[in-house]
Amino acid sequence: DAKTTQPNSMESNEEEPVHLPCNHSTISGTDYIHWYRQLPSQGPEYVIHGLTSNVNNRMASLAIAEDRKSSTLILHRATLRDAAVYYCISDNYGQNFVFGPGTRLSVLP
Amino acid sequence: NAGVTQTPKFQVLKTGQSMTLQCAQDMNHNSMYWYRQDPGMGLRLIYYSASEGTTDKGEVPNGYNVSRLNKREFSLRLESAAPSQTSVYFCASREDSEVRETQYFGPGTRLLVL
Repeated sequence: DAKTTQPNSMESNEEEPVHLPCNHSTISGTDYIHWYRQLPSQGPEYVIHGLTSNVNNRMASLAIAEDRKSSTLILHRATLRDAAVYYCISDNYGQNFVFGPGTRLSVLP
Repeated sequence: NAGVTQTPKFQVLKTGQSMTLQCAQDMNHNSMYWYRQDPGMGLRLIYYSASEGTTDKGEVPNGYNVSRLNKREFSLRLESAAPSQTSVYFCASREDSEVRETQYFGPGTRLLVL
């Protein structure tokens, strides 16, 4: 399975943008990049996914490097409710997700 | 539309006892999954069912069995619980087995084995 690496933790101030990085240097051409997040005491929830182009939805934006070896999840204005563990996953067509330890995001008021 | 539901929410077992964790989804999804999450770790796949009538092992299947009872329900059984199985268990479903489809997770079952 393709592997991803993320920082263990990050901090942000409320209402400021947050850029969460992810490295996936072994990604292959057809692997999508997925982001999920897990709020305290809850199951993970989908955030966004993409293949090559940058992607936007109501929750976040995903910026994918031109060589696809890294990506960045962008939360445009962090709120206290965005404090969670964020998982970056690169899929391998036909295989199942592999969740790493993720990045624990703290949002300071 | 309840999404993915799990019962029980919390359970305490003694070593050697057995129990079944229940999971149901009302989204008409074909694929269902069982994960475990140990403190400070990511989720690890125990078993999955790509479609009704099929089940396959994931990364950590030892000590567990599963049953895909019908399209809605996927249960996880611990035949003889061990302290190493203390964990939070999450069930998930997806429309089909394509990994790029969104997975929907339940709220989890917290299991403590003494």
